[in-house]
Amino acid sequence: QSALTQPRAVSGSPGQSVTISCTGTSADVGGYDYVAWYQQHPDKAPRLLIYDVTKRPSGVPDRFYGSKSGNTASLTISGLQAEDEADYYCCSYAGRYTVMFGGGTKLTVL
Amino acid sequence: QVQLVESGGGVVQPGRSLRLSCAASGFSFSSYAMHWVRQAPGKGLEWVAVIWYDGSNEYYADSVKGRFTISRDNSKNTVYLQMDSLRGEDTAVYYCARAMPGSLRAWYSEHWGQGTLVTVSS
Repeated sequence: QSALTQPRAVSGSPGQSVTISCTGTSADVGGYDYVAWYQQHPDKAPRLLIYDVTKRPSGVPDRFYGSKSGNTASLTISGLQAEDEADYYCCSYAGRYTVMFGGGTKLTVL
Repeated sequence: QVQLVESGGGVVQPGRSLRLSCAASGFSFSSYAMHWVRQAPGKGLEWVAVIWYDGSNEYYADSVKGRFTISRDNSKNTVYLQMDSLRGEDTAVYYCARAMPGSLRAWYSEHWGQGTLVTVSS
């Protein structure tokens, strides 16, 4: 089991939009609509941002948008705010009753 | 509100065992699947295991299969992770997490504890 592929780092200025990609295979991201995104601030527990590719749990701002095309899922954050600076992880059901995370992306708000 | 409190972490020698506990409150524990997810120092998240709401099914990452066992006691609102034959690469913060409701969304960890650190070292 190899981790899903994410860029190590992305950055953007306040108010701008950024997109984080998550590339897997047809055995995970491409094979199921069970993709999630998590946000993790330093020394904090992760927080669920997106599930079922596009859905947001209650309390997550609509600035966070999830999508998928083929074997690649994406998280777009619009109207960047300072508090969005964090690590972001994608996650997918990977078949055989297992779950796989991406390697994580560090978002810097300039 | 949902609370998950992990305990049982510490320093352990390679090859030895350790059992982690996660005490849950603020929700109907017996209605939800529960996960363990770990994070090595300075590294990303790694899914470890999940157990179904009634304990009827449990699934593991290949990296821990045959060495770790997830279990739960619904009368005590507690989920456990028995870790045997520990290795240096098992060193990590271990988080327990409550799944979303429903079997189709059991793969998502909606609420997380603060984690407990396990260090495997001689």
